Amino acid sequence: QTVVTQEPSLTVSPGGTVTLTCASSTGAVTSGYYPNWFQQKPGQAPRALIYSTNNKHSWTPARFSGSLLGGKAALTLSGVQPEDEADYYCLLYFGGVSGVFGGGTKLTVL
Amino acid sequence: EVQLVESGGGLVKPGGSLRLSCAASGFTFSSYSMNWVRQSPGKGLEWVSSIHSGGSYMYYADSVRGRFTISRDNAKNSLYLQMNSLRAEDTALYYCARASSNISPYTPDYWGQGTLVTVSS
Repeated sequence: QTVVTQEPSLTVSPGGTVTLTCASSTGAVTSGYYPNWFQQKPGQAPRALIYSTNNKHSWTPARFSGSLLGGKAALTLSGVQPEDEADYYCLLYFGGVSGVFGGGTKLTVL
Repeated sequence: EVQLVESGGGLVKPGGSLRLSCAASGFTFSSYSMNWVRQSPGKGLEWVSSIHSGGSYMYYADSVRGRFTISRDNAKNSLYLQMNSLRAEDTALYYCARASSNISPYTPDYWGQGTLVTVSS
């Protein structure tokens, strides 16, 4: 069974920079896993942020960026705002069709 | 404005069946692939199933394959999830999500608000 692993929790100061990562139990994450990132705030549906490693949706704030870093997918938030406090989930695709979400990272802005 | 409205959730006994629906509006439904994603109470997201815009290609998570069936009616702008042989671990909020591309993988962009399925005796 494929497992996708994220940091359970991270804390960042307002205005700071933080990087969330997403690893696969199958090995290094590449663009062929089409990494996606989603933000979810309490009581709300998830919101798509990044698709195919580093592509932003039209509504994605410029301070969010996606990349590959050290064999993992990464989401970097630069100039963090208080409203960025949320759960963040990565999604990887295996075989190009089957998706597996990571366990999520709870980001605290403090 | 893209809108996705799920319905059909409820309380069902283990071994029972339920059919979820998702009504889509604000876009040309027949041109987009679609997804079901679920979230158990207080837990993370789990991809459940995807279907191509024309309904020809369907994909399932191992945890539901053989028990759940995804389908769509493009004339009615609706997506469905037929869930059979339900288990306690299927208890979750089920989200309908549009895919941003009609080429696999069908990565979600717009999401509905979800419908709650509770499997309990």
